[in-house]
Amino acid sequence: SQQGEEDPQALSIQEGENATMNCSYKTSINNLQWYRQNSGRGLVHLILIRSNEREKHSGRLRVTLDTSKKSSSLLITASRAADTASYFCATAQKTGRRALTFGSGTRLQVQP
Amino acid sequence: EPEVTQTPSHQVTQMGQEVILRCVPISNHLYFYWYRQILGQKVEFLVSFYNNEISEKSEIFDDQFSVERPDGSNFTLKIRSTKLEDSAMYFCASSIPWEQYFGPGTRLTVT
Repeated sequence: SQQGEEDPQALSIQEGENATMNCSYKTSINNLQWYRQNSGRGLVHLILIRSNEREKHSGRLRVTLDTSKKSSSLLITASRAADTASYFCATAQKTGRRALTFGSGTRLQVQP
Repeated sequence: EPEVTQTPSHQVTQMGQEVILRCVPISNHLYFYWYRQILGQKVEFLVSFYNNEISEKSEIFDDQFSVERPDGSNFTLKIRSTKLEDSAMYFCASSIPWEQYFGPGTRLTVT
């Protein structure tokens, strides 16, 4: 897979359920960031996790990072209809470059 | 809460014309970026800017593209001679130093 590939490509759940999205990448990273994008709109920054961190929380979001497997997961607990969006992971490479490499995203549909 | 703003929200131009996309980054941020997203495709990095010069650029960012910070608040992307394949959503972002915050985007349509 390419740098920053999300899995699954699409996910449909009921309101109140948890949603888990995974991201895999290939090169060593400095950090990994998760973003949300509503259809045709801008990218909203959700959370950044550094390469020396294993887990991070922000409200209903929980992000894990496993650098040995070059993978990350985003968990949204107690999902709401308003969480319906596409979710992207983006990596900044360990070389210190700040350019983010984005994945293809997971389209999350939360049914009310 | 401070946010990145972009103007215009939608720009339609004819092939071969020059366009300038404008961005106002978050005021205390030091790093500025342009990305683009062609419809249905991934978000792609174009260029980053720090201390009044380009710090990184991608293969996409060729001689047709340029960036400028003409004053203390604006950050612009110029495309000198637009092509049909330049049609995309262009996002400006800023960071201090790692978390990048994106603007709402400018949808560029080249006809």
